[in-house]
Amino acid sequence: DIQMTQSPSSLSASVGDRVTITCRASQGITSYLAWFQQKPGKAPKSLIYAASSLQSGVPSRFSGSGSGTDFTLTINSLQPEDSATYYCQQYNSYPFTFGPGTKVVIK
Amino acid sequence: EVQLLESGGGLVQPGGSLRLSCAASGFTFSSYAMAWVRQAPGTGLEWVSTLSNSGDGTYYADSVKGRFTISRDNSKNTLYLQMNSLRAEDTAVYYCAKGSDSGSFGDFDYWGQGTLVTVSS
Repeated sequence: DIQMTQSPSSLSASVGDRVTITCRASQGITSYLAWFQQKPGKAPKSLIYAASSLQSGVPSRFSGSGSGTDFTLTINSLQPEDSATYYCQQYNSYPFTFGPGTKVVIK
Repeated sequence: EVQLLESGGGLVQPGGSLRLSCAASGFTFSSYAMAWVRQAPGTGLEWVSTLSNSGDGTYYADSVKGRFTISRDNSKNTLYLQMNSLRAEDTAVYYCAKGSDSGSFGDFDYWGQGTLVTVSS
């Protein structure tokens, strides 16, 4: 199975800050990587697919990059509504696996 | 508007069975792969199973293989998950997820609100 790791596990940032979350796969997954946002008690919401493609309706302050084993999710100009847990997920091969999540807290 | 509405969760004893349903609307259900993803209380996301749009391709996590069965009724726009021999570790919120236009079976663009399954005596 492909193991996904994320760093940091949590972070605290101020409104307007630029935030970067890193995701690493235990083996190459080309660009078969997605990012999700989940708020407490809610379903995950798709943000990014194919490593860098923005899902329809997602604000342009969210962006993704990377390929192979190393990926990043960047939030430019952090907003209060971005307080959530963010997960990466590989869909290169079965079983599909998720990272452990990064909790983003607004200072 | 894409909508996915799960139902069928509840409290069940270890060794028992439960069938989850996911009613889909707002898209051509028969054209997309569908999946179940679960989240145990206070933990992260775990992919459970995926079913191709035609129903002839099924994929399972090792943790549920042989106990869970995914199926769909394209005439009813509904996805199912039959769960047998349930264990305490199956306790989780189960989400229904829709495959995206990319065609990749693991690329999920919409998720339902989830249904809670609790396995306990």
